[in-house]
Amino acid sequence: AQSVAQPEDQVNVAEGNPLTVKCTYSVSGNPYLFWYVQYPNRGLQFLLKYITGDNLVKGSYGFEAEFNKSQTSFHLKKPSALVSDSALYFCAVTRMDSSYKLIFGSGTRLLVRP
Amino acid sequence: GAVVSQHPSRVICKSGTSVKIECRSLDFQATTMFWYRQFPKQSLMLMATSNEGSKATYEQGVEKDKFLINHASLTLSTLTVTSAHPEDSSFYICSAKRVGTEAFFGQGTRLTVV
Repeated sequence: AQSVAQPEDQVNVAEGNPLTVKCTYSVSGNPYLFWYVQYPNRGLQFLLKYITGDNLVKGSYGFEAEFNKSQTSFHLKKPSALVSDSALYFCAVTRMDSSYKLIFGSGTRLLVRP
Repeated sequence: GAVVSQHPSRVICKSGTSVKIECRSLDFQATTMFWYRQFPKQSLMLMATSNEGSKATYEQGVEKDKFLINHASLTLSTLTVTSAHPEDSSFYICSAKRVGTEAFFGQGTRLTVV
């Protein structure tokens, strides 16, 4: 069965500092991995995805994520956090099959303080 | 990016009544649409997957007679919550995708049953 773990309920970081939001996954076969961001009472906005190829994926708003197959991780990173990055972040995984069912992690709330 | 629109964004209904939520892909034809439910401060739970012109596939534990899904065209899917009860109050989010792309999410619908 597919699963995603986001071990931190909340990450606090000062503006201008680097941030990391952790994600590990479990899936049979090769995974598709995604990061989405959610603002209050809104749907999810796509940030980036890993399908194949380069392990370092660059996405929207300066975010990037590194796929690590041996550690089954896909941590989200940003070199310099902004207050406006404060939101709820979800990691998701699906298998490379026709169903494309996204399984989401529990979410991590990022709080960037001025 | 592709736009997915959900309507209404917020609805309050009386217990025992039914409510319909629409999900439209505005600028692309969606081969598959997904419906999720999100409880406060929790992750998204996949309810069902629908393909245009065919019956929806429901996840285990989701009552298909209570949550009616219709995917009548390549741009529209509807979720009808029948005989709603207060425990059905939640945030419902749809997503849509076409072949070869990631899923795009609607802005969500907050349902409150009183």
